[in-house]
Amino acid sequence: EVQLVESGGGLVQPGGSLRVSCAASGFTFRNFAMSWVRQAPGKGLEWVSTDSGGTTYYADSVKGRFTISRDNSKNTLYLRMNNLRAEDTAVYYCAKGDNNGWQNYFDHWGQGTLVTVSS
Amino acid sequence: DIVMTQSPDSLAVSLGERATINCKSSQSVFYSSNNKNYLAWYQHKPGQPPKLLIYWASTRESGVPDRFSGSGSGTDFTLTISSLQAEDVAVYYCQQYYTTPPETFGQGTKVEIK
Repeated sequence: EVQLVESGGGLVQPGGSLRVSCAASGFTFRNFAMSWVRQAPGKGLEWVSTDSGGTTYYADSVKGRFTISRDNSKNTLYLRMNNLRAEDTAVYYCAKGDNNGWQNYFDHWGQGTLVTVSS
Repeated sequence: DIVMTQSPDSLAVSLGERATINCKSSQSVFYSSNNKNYLAWYQHKPGQPPKLLIYWASTRESGVPDRFSGSGSGTDFTLTISSLQAEDVAVYYCQQYYTTPPETFGQGTKVEIK
């Protein structure tokens, strides 16, 4: 059974940094693209970033501030978030792609971790 | 970027009745070389993660009840719930994965019981 478990969310001040993690199990982690998708309070789903076969992609809204990475030996996906803004406040979901390419739908999602940016 | 627009933003349907959600993409998501539409549908209930319902516009994910169906091609797509059940109350999103990045979602359609 595929499981994705996020951790690391919390309250951070504007301009601060945070790293969230996603521990994966139940599938061959290295063989699939992995992404972060977020949902701000009262808003819809917004794709944030994808790691696909070592190639990384970012939404314009986070480019230059967020860094996605993965440790295939630990089956873990990370999102390092720097220079956080109030508008980054959201539940961050880890999502598994259906393949290791760059055209993915998301066939499994974690429960999400809440990141709150506030002073 | 491809913009996905859903309609309506919300709808209320009686139990057992049909619910229809539309999704329009700003450009075609049909790839002629493999005859596939790069369009997925998700169900999102409060406090839960999104759940994949449909991919390739009309392929139902394993375990999804057959009252959920997807149709359409090119730029216009529909998610139909043939007989609404209480557990179907949720927000539904379409997503294109034809031109990525970015993977883009529609704004969501909230389905409630009338």
